[in-house]
Amino acid sequence: EVQLVESGGGLVQPGGSLRLSCAASGFTFGSYSMNWVRQAPGKGLEWISYISSSSSTIYYADSVKGRFTISRDNAKNSLYLQMTSLRADDTAVYYCARDSGTARTGSNYWGQGTLVTVSS
Amino acid sequence: DVVMTQSPLSLPVTLGQPASISCRSSQSLVYSDGNTYLNWFQQRPGQSPRRLIYKVSNRDSGVPDRFSGSGSGTDFTLKISRVEAEDVGIYYCMQGTHWPQTFGQGTKVEIK
Repeated sequence: EVQLVESGGGLVQPGGSLRLSCAASGFTFGSYSMNWVRQAPGKGLEWISYISSSSSTIYYADSVKGRFTISRDNAKNSLYLQMTSLRADDTAVYYCARDSGTARTGSNYWGQGTLVTVSS
Repeated sequence: DVVMTQSPLSLPVTLGQPASISCRSSQSLVYSDGNTYLNWFQQRPGQSPRRLIYKVSNRDSGVPDRFSGSGSGTDFTLKISRVEAEDVGIYYCMQGTHWPQTFGQGTKVEIK
């Protein structure tokens, strides 16, 4: 069974940093591209970052470019999101999501999400 | 970025009756490989999103056949033939043809 378990969320002050992790199991992690998608409270879904299976291709949404860094460790079956210079509008549930084979068809497996709250 | 516009944003439906959600994109979603990367997601209350349909009309494994997707170019539709109580939630269209991938605002389906 495919499982994605996010961790690392919490309360952080504006301007602070946080590192999210996503532990993957039930599939060959190194064979799939991965994404981070977030959802602000009561709002819709926003894709924020993509990383290919080998980490050779990485994309970011303009809203996080230069502040967030996606990475993965295929040996540890783990995906990461390093977030810096956090702002109030980064407050959201952050989902780790696995692509089905191509990123263009969207993610067919999602974690339960981890809540990041940016507030003083 | 490609803007995805859904309507309606709220859809009260009687159990057993059909429901239809429209999704329009600001650009054609036909990709150079000939595929149209328009996907639909369901998010039940308190749950993570779940993909229902990919490439316009392909149902994911385990998705009931009362869900169907159609459309082409810039206009797409998700239909539920007979709404059941478990269908309550928010439905999002998402395009993957153009980077970055973008989602519609969501349509909230509720039971009358």
